[in-house]
Amino acid sequence: DTGVSQDPRHKITKRGQNVTFRCDPISEHNRLYWYRQTLGQGPEFLTYFQNEAQLEKSRLLSDRFSAERPKGSFSTLEIQRTEQGDSAMYLCASSVEQGAGTDTQYFGPGTRLTVL
Amino acid sequence: DQQVKQNSPSLSVQEGRISILNCDYTNSMFDYFLWYKKYPAEGPTFLISISSIKDKNEDGRFTVFLNKSAKHLSLHIVPSQPGDSAVYFCAPKKPGTYKYIFGTGTRLKVLA
Repeated sequence: DTGVSQDPRHKITKRGQNVTFRCDPISEHNRLYWYRQTLGQGPEFLTYFQNEAQLEKSRLLSDRFSAERPKGSFSTLEIQRTEQGDSAMYLCASSVEQGAGTDTQYFGPGTRLTVL
Repeated sequence: DQQVKQNSPSLSVQEGRISILNCDYTNSMFDYFLWYKKYPAEGPTFLISISSIKDKNEDGRFTVFLNKSAKHLSLHIVPSQPGDSAVYFCAPKKPGTYKYIFGTGTRLKVLA
């Protein structure tokens, strides 16, 4: 196992189309995060899973966004009716708890979405 | 809502010298702080962390200092190497949440 993988690495779509991204975390990691990063900014938290349960979701995440982690392993992030403002790098990270609620997140390479 | 600020967007340092990257935050409830570095076309890579109960943590060439009263965090890299050239993000976390809040990053360039 070489780390967190994401697929696809790049996605170009037309406005109004739906897109789905996949994240495969490090196999023994029960925690999984999705982030979005735009140019000149740091990663912005979108949502968090512990095993298959989605425990936290950013209020910035509109109802066009949905994420799942059905068996507590891989996760998908779907964006419906894409808008040009959705163009960004979507990052996935996984981790295990290290105690006292802390963890170290390992990031995948990201999926770059361009909405035309 | 800029809870985490990295006011220097870029920094250039000569190889062998010390690099100091700064991070200021507004929320005194943050209890755990991480530093990540990011190379182009890759995801961020964990570098070093510090808990709010400490004021210093050291790992090889990397040392993080935490000044809770000033709500200020700094990362020292010494000696700096050309391979350290990357974008560095600080990312604190609030207790009781799983949400890490990333700063805007500082681009470090180490000149050979």
